[in-house]
Amino acid sequence: NAGVMQNPRHLVRRRGQEARLRCSPMKGHSHVYWYRQLPEEGLKFMVYLQKENIIDESGMPKERFSAEFPKEGPSILRIQQVVRGDSAAYFCASSPGGKNTEAFFGQGTRLTVV
Amino acid sequence: GDSVTQMEGPVTLSEEAFLTINCTYTATGYPSLFWYVQYPGEGLQLLLKATKADDKGSNKGFEATYRKETTSFHLEKGSVQVSDSAVYFCAPSSGGSYIPTFGRGTSLIVHP
Repeated sequence: NAGVMQNPRHLVRRRGQEARLRCSPMKGHSHVYWYRQLPEEGLKFMVYLQKENIIDESGMPKERFSAEFPKEGPSILRIQQVVRGDSAAYFCASSPGGKNTEAFFGQGTRLTVV
Repeated sequence: GDSVTQMEGPVTLSEEAFLTINCTYTATGYPSLFWYVQYPGEGLQLLLKATKADDKGSNKGFEATYRKETTSFHLEKGSVQVSDSAVYFCAPSSGGSYIPTFGRGTSLIVHP
């Protein structure tokens, strides 16, 4: 059973370009979470999705950021018109949902904006 | 929403020393509590969990007890190894969506 797969592992974008980060959850998991990690700042929650639905996007910046989890295919975190401040590690996690279930994390995508 | 406070790092220890990393939380209702570990360049992985008051989670020599009265979930290990060097995250999970909440994490450095 493959774990959570994120790609690419490393992504370099110039300011103003778009970044697309992909996350394939573990088999059988329908809940996906995206987090952003900056040095010395821990993990900050961005968005929680179930298949075809955004459940909680309270941590997403209001502009330029969007996320989806279509019926078929991976979850996508999309950042439009990237700026230097978007440089960070972005982690995806999945779970089967429910109170006592752990989240399984991917290895992250490290975005560098130049 | 939920929040978590962990002791500031880095925590620097010699091999075989005793480890405590403090964690206190605020959460909606009755959370489940988790400790995750992140090795350099990797994602987080579950270390241990506890789902109700007075439960003790344990794994790889690490332990933590769910203390509802003090809203704490301190991580302990009796004898650390160099390979335990990593960043440790305490995470409550509660509310209607059970979204894990993370803080800054605590970096542990173990010297031979």
